[in-house]
Amino acid sequence: AQTVTQSQPEMSVQEAETVTLSCTYDTSESNYYLFWYKQPPSRQMILVIRQEAYKQQNATENRFSVNFQKAAKSFSLKISDSQLGDTAMYFCAFIHPGGYQKVTFGTGTKLQVIP
Amino acid sequence: NAGVTQTPKFQVLKTGQSMTLQCAQDMNHNSMYWYRQDPGMGLRLIYYSASEGTTDKGEVPNGYNVSRLNKREFSLRLESAAPSQTSVYFCASSDTPQKNTEAFFGQGTRLTVV
Repeated sequence: AQTVTQSQPEMSVQEAETVTLSCTYDTSESNYYLFWYKQPPSRQMILVIRQEAYKQQNATENRFSVNFQKAAKSFSLKISDSQLGDTAMYFCAFIHPGGYQKVTFGTGTKLQVIP
Repeated sequence: NAGVTQTPKFQVLKTGQSMTLQCAQDMNHNSMYWYRQDPGMGLRLIYYSASEGTTDKGEVPNGYNVSRLNKREFSLRLESAAPSQTSVYFCASSDTPQKNTEAFFGQGTRLTVV
């Protein structure tokens, strides 16, 4: 079974600074997808960024980028130039190709951006 | 473009009462899911439906039943609510398994069982 571990329950960062959220996962699959979701106080789950395991290049979406280390099974999220609107829970998630599509989530990291 | 719509957004039940959470998606997705979110535990899969007419148990199915009414709708039923089922419930949908796109979520239902 796949597992996703986020070891930082809470983090804080000063506005305009950079912060990195950690995520590790365990799988025996070689092809899979990884995601970071953001959940602001509104509860809405919003996709931040995705990474396909067969792609070596790290994904980037504006201020958000990942450091994908396949051998180490690590998938960290870097937020640059942090903004107050980045305050949210962040969930790392994993999905592998299979007969059905099931997303496994980590326990989340609560990020607070401080003015 | 509504995406995934869940109703209700909030609900308070007494222990032993039953209720059904409704979910509908307008993206023509094959797969639909029900998750529950509890503090410190992330999102845990209750049930999922890979396609119309099929449903399967996830990690925490006990105390729940589901119905995939058609391609658009996937409901979650609590037959006899218990305080342990106090949680935030999310419905989600995604494209076919072969396409491996991300899941799109509803806005959640905050359920309190007293």
